[in-house]
Amino acid sequence: DAGVIQSPRHEVTEMGQEVTLRCKPISGHNSLFWYRQTMMRGLELLIYFNNNVPIDDSGMPEDRFSAKMPNASFSTLKIQPSEPRDSAVYFCASRNRERGLNQPQHFGDGTRLSIL
Amino acid sequence: EDQVTQSPEALRLQEGESSSLNCSYTVSGLRGLFWYRQDPGKGPEFLFTLYSAGEEKEKERLKATLTKKESFLHITAPKPEDSATYLCAVLPGAGNTGKLIFGQGTTLQVKP
Repeated sequence: DAGVIQSPRHEVTEMGQEVTLRCKPISGHNSLFWYRQTMMRGLELLIYFNNNVPIDDSGMPEDRFSAKMPNASFSTLKIQPSEPRDSAVYFCASRNRERGLNQPQHFGDGTRLSIL
Repeated sequence: EDQVTQSPEALRLQEGESSSLNCSYTVSGLRGLFWYRQDPGKGPEFLFTLYSAGEEKEKERLKATLTKKESFLHITAPKPEDSATYLCAVLPGAGNTGKLIFGQGTTLQVKP
């Protein structure tokens, strides 16, 4: 079975540019999570969706960040305008919530974002 | 406040030298505790879920145990391929809709 698929794997762009990260969850999973990982702060939850609906976006750093989930098989995380402090690895994870909240989350291999 | 603390931050072992990683937690109820392994350039890979104190799970050279305040990941006779960062995460109980609280991880290096 295909795992969580993220694209691009690497992104290098200049400050002020718009960045769009993409995620395809595991088929049949109905919860989707966006995380950011840095050496200083570890893994931080940015936002998560249940059945395509945003449930908790309290981790989104500021208005420059936005996330959408237009259907069960696709989600985007957008940063506009980007800043150097946004440089990090961004992970997407999905979970089969139908089996219970304590089902494990399964992660993609992340997008390494560098803002110059 | 819900919190997860892992220790040590880094651990170096010789091949075959058994040891344990610790995950201490304070949460308002515990719905589950998860262990993940993360290799460089990869996403966290799920290893175990533990649900209640006294529970144990095993996979190859790894064994995870759980008490009311902490979990241990025991590594028996490790091999170089066990080198990775091990992450612990908890799922708090009441009022939580599925949000995990992650520790900072323990980076394990096993030398041949």
